[in-house]
Amino acid sequence: SQQGEEDPQALSIQEGENATMNCSYKTSINNLQWYRQNSGRGLVHLILIRSNEREKHSGRLRVTLDTSKKSSSLLITASRAADTASYFCATQVTNAGKSTFGDGTTLTVKP
Amino acid sequence: NAGVTQTPKFQVLKTGQSMTLQCAQDMNHNSMYWYRQDPGMGLRLIYYSASEGTTDKGEVPNGYNVSRLNKREFSLRLESAAPSQTSVYFCASRSGQGGLHGNEQFFGPGTRLTVL
Repeated sequence: SQQGEEDPQALSIQEGENATMNCSYKTSINNLQWYRQNSGRGLVHLILIRSNEREKHSGRLRVTLDTSKKSSSLLITASRAADTASYFCATQVTNAGKSTFGDGTTLTVKP
Repeated sequence: NAGVTQTPKFQVLKTGQSMTLQCAQDMNHNSMYWYRQDPGMGLRLIYYSASEGTTDKGEVPNGYNVSRLNKREFSLRLESAAPSQTSVYFCASRSGQGGLHGNEQFFGPGTRLTVL
């Protein structure tokens, strides 16, 4: 079964609004990563947060991690039409181990 | 740098045919991965290679074999294709050498496979 599960499955917002996606996982992790996938393309790494971190920022992205609740959130601020994509969380149980991906959130940003 | 390249981009097979998907990376990464992605779903790990000379099964290995030919190349073989293997296949690599980007996976553009 998938280690990470995102919600919502789909999210539609207007340009300029913020978008929040959540990821829940089942076992203790070393780190959690967020990836983006444009339609018909491969995944692109966005940000990594380690188990001893609670929040990280990268440009318009803010990621939080709550290890007690086994959950993470990805916030995209001031969204743009170009942010339209699917977003996936991936967990690593060990630093050198393989990653397990969730089913993703499909974000549509309307101009 | 080309990053991670995959060939072919598209393929149509008949049930029972065999084929090999090729993947190469030019980033000197240690680890390489094969995933499949079915419509509306996330990636499921088929096989991976933590380092040159080693391969291990992932979540959905049945019906597939892999070869880590050298540090650059990691191929995926379907010996007898089945309609259930219709999917998009992604290859990825990771440096695995620690540091700021050691855990980041780099993905190829994918191979869209249809088995009739």
